[in-house]
Amino acid sequence: EVQLVESGGGLVQPGGSLRLSCAASGFTFSNYAMSWVRQVPGKGLEWVSAITGSGASTYYAVSVKGRFTISRDNSKNTVYLQISTLRADDTAVYYCAILDSSGYWGQGTLVTVSS
Amino acid sequence: DIQMTQSPSSLSASVGDRVTITCRASQAINNYLAWFQQKPGKAPKSLIYAASSLQTGVPSKFSGSRSGTDFTLTISSLQPEDFATYYCQQYNSYPLTFGGGTKVEIK
Repeated sequence: EVQLVESGGGLVQPGGSLRLSCAASGFTFSNYAMSWVRQVPGKGLEWVSAITGSGASTYYAVSVKGRFTISRDNSKNTVYLQISTLRADDTAVYYCAILDSSGYWGQGTLVTVSS
Repeated sequence: DIQMTQSPSSLSASVGDRVTITCRASQAINNYLAWFQQKPGKAPKSLIYAASSLQTGVPSKFSGSRSGTDFTLTISSLQPEDFATYYCQQYNSYPLTFGGGTKVEIK
């Protein structure tokens, strides 16, 4: 059974940093590109970033480029999202997901940016 | 970037109704289109991939189709458990993009 389990969310002050993790199991992790998607409570889904299976290529939404960094450790079956210079509008539930024909999602982790 | 224009943004329907939701891509995405269902407080659930292929375990009342850059999700007979928000998403190219969502409410 495929499982994606996010962690690392929480309350952080504006300008602060956080590292989100997504632990994967139930499939050959290195074969799949992984994405992060966020959702402001009550709003729609916004794709944030993706990384290829090997980790060789990364992609970012314009809204986060330069502030967010995606990475993965295939030996630990884990993908990360380092988020920095946080702003109030980064407050959202952050999901990791496989956004191809598989369509698997984690349960999400809430990031709240507030002083 | 590929824009996904989803319509309507909301609809009211009754149990047993046939419901259709549309997504239009701003450029060709071949069949690289997925549909998700999301209920309040839950992660999205994949319903359809490759425009018209049903994910394992998804009931056959859900179907997807494509005409050029227009994509449709149809629910043949709406049931109480189907009241939710539905999203389309293209995975043809980065940046990946979602439609704005369609909230299906009880009439």
